[in-house]
Amino acid sequence: TQLLEQSPQFLSIQEGENLTVYCNSSSVFSSLQWYRQEPGEGPVLLVTVVTGGEVKKLKRLTFQFGDARKDSSLHITAAQPGDTGLYLCAGGVGSSNTGKLIFGQGTTLQVKP
Amino acid sequence: ETGVTQTPRHLVMGMTNKKSLKCEQHLGHNAMYWYKQSAKKPLELMFVYNFKEQTENNSVPSRFSPECPNSSHLFLHLHTLQPEDSALYLCASSQGKGRGGYYNSPLHFGNGTRLTVT
Repeated sequence: TQLLEQSPQFLSIQEGENLTVYCNSSSVFSSLQWYRQEPGEGPVLLVTVVTGGEVKKLKRLTFQFGDARKDSSLHITAAQPGDTGLYLCAGGVGSSNTGKLIFGQGTTLQVKP
Repeated sequence: ETGVTQTPRHLVMGMTNKKSLKCEQHLGHNAMYWYKQSAKKPLELMFVYNFKEQTENNSVPSRFSPECPNSSHLFLHLHTLQPEDSALYLCASSQGKGRGGYYNSPLHFGNGTRLTVT
């Protein structure tokens, strides 16, 4: 069974601090997606990484896919209260035509003003 | 405003009731999904439909019955549920198979139906 483990599960920080969320597995994934979910809403895609070693930046968010495509990280610089939410990583498994994504259990981020 | 609309937003039902969840997407996508989100557990894939054909049933109990009449609409019919089925049920859509595979196509989620089984 392929699993994605996210750490930490919960993070509470002050506005302006930096943080990193990790997504790890013993399995290789064809791609890795990161989503953010706010209370009362569905997850919204932040980024997709597909190449081992790939780094993508989205304003203050930096996403990295591990060289072996088994892990990923999300780094937030100078966190803002608007960054508060549940961060989910999801890995594509099997062939590209099965439509299966495995999700991590999520990291709840709280940024206090 | 999300391109994927789910109704109802909240549902309370008894164990002997029959109810249905509805999902509609306005994005022109060909694949639709049902996910179950329970507290402190990973999102669980339940069903996948691509061009109205079911391509994935993730060992879901028969008390959950999906229906996909066309690429824009997806239903989840519920009957004889158990209290442990209480969760947030999320519908999603994506470009689907045949458009470069699934994995480079993002999932677009609705805001979910919060289901409580009493």
